[in-house]
Order: sequence, then C-alpha cells, then structure tokens
Amino acid sequence: GENVEQHPSTLSVQEGDSAVIKCTYSDSASNYFPWYKQELGKRPQLIIDIRSNVGEKKDQRIAVTLNKTAKHFSLHITETQPEDSAVYFCAASKNTGTASKLTFGTGTRLQVTL
Amino acid sequence: NAGVMQNPRHLVRRRGQEARLRCSPMKGHSHVYWYRQLPEEGLKFMVYLQKENIIDESGMPKERFSAEFPKEGPSILRIQQVVRGDSAAYFCASSPGLSNEKLFFGSGTQLSVL
Repeated sequence: GENVEQHPSTLSVQEGDSAVIKCTYSDSASNYFPWYKQELGKRPQLIIDIRSNVGEKKDQRIAVTLNKTAKHFSLHITETQPEDSAVYFCAASKNTGTASKLTFGTGTRLQVTL
Repeated sequence: NAGVMQNPRHLVRRRGQEARLRCSPMKGHSHVYWYRQLPEEGLKFMVYLQKENIIDESGMPKERFSAEFPKEGPSILRIQQVVRGDSAAYFCASSPGLSNEKLFFGSGTQLSVL
C-alpha cells in the first residue's frame, strides 16, 4: 500500500518568514495530493490540493509543488502569520474509479513566533 | 449547507462496554470514511463506505470493530468491548463521489476508555 513520509515533524519560524513542509510518497500510481491544517482540538481542514497532471498550484500565501519523478510534494507558506500555527498533514491517494482513500503523513507542527 | 456532523463530541466508556460513534455526511455526499487519530499522531484510515456497502475496510481491526452506512440514517462506527488502547479521536469524512476525491472532515469524537 501507499506510504507517505513527512518532514520536519516540528517547524518554528518567525512571523513574516516562509515555511516549507516536504512529503514523499511510495506509490507511483497516486494522483491526488491534498494538504490539511488541523488546529488543536479541531477538525482537519483542506487548505490546498494538487493533482498529478499539475506541477504547481498557488492560493494566496500558500502553494504546493509536485515532482512526480521523485515522488515528492511540498507545501510553501509565505509571509507566515501567528494564525498559521497548527499541525499540517500531507496526504496521497489514487483515484482508480473504485476507491480513493487518503494515506496521511505523520504531520508537521508549525509554530509561528512573533 | 451543514458540514459533516459527528456525535457525540466526547464519549467516555469503561473497559468492556460498547461505543457507538455516528456520522452524517455533508448533503449530497454519498461516500463516508472513518479515520482514527492517536495523540500527537497522524490520521490512520479505518474504513470506506458507500450507502449500504463497505468498499474498503483494510484499516479496521478484525475484531470488535464494525461499521455501517445504512440506506437511511447516519454511518455508525461500533466498537465492542472497548479497551484502553481504543482511546483516540475518531474522525469521519465525506466526499461527493468517485470523480471528486476532496474529503471534508467532521469535528471528531474523542473516545476515552477508563
């Protein structure tokens, strides 16, 4: 089955700096890669996603890049703000037309300091 | 449009009792997924259901755990004879269908086994 690894496990940046979180996946057939943000005690919320036919996607201060050859994808947050502090999870799935369960990484705890 | 609804929000059980967790998907969503999250860990896939069908239960323990998604009513995750190791947050997610993999999560049920 799919295996998703995520690094780093914790990340501390100063407000205004950029943050980068990296993930690798094992199944070359995976074709959908979402990122979720989870605040303490809250539900995971989808913040951005990318499909395998696209190399990069941007939404305001967040962007995701995908390298299919190397089987890794990254989340980039620019101009970080204190409210960006949360745990971020990457995930991967393959839509085969029958089932598309997400396999999650182990999470990155991002702390944005003033 | 209400989001994914889970109840109860918190559930306390003594060892050996049964736990029933409920999930109502978003309106128009016919696919339900259950994930378990241990403290400081990622989300682990348990089971994927469509109405009246279990599509993938590869992440569900073989004993004591069962799930259903009846034609009418919410999806139910049932844990019989709970043990302390079952203490975790259980999240339900729903998606519109096979052509749309975006998963939207509920607020979770925090199960505590005494």
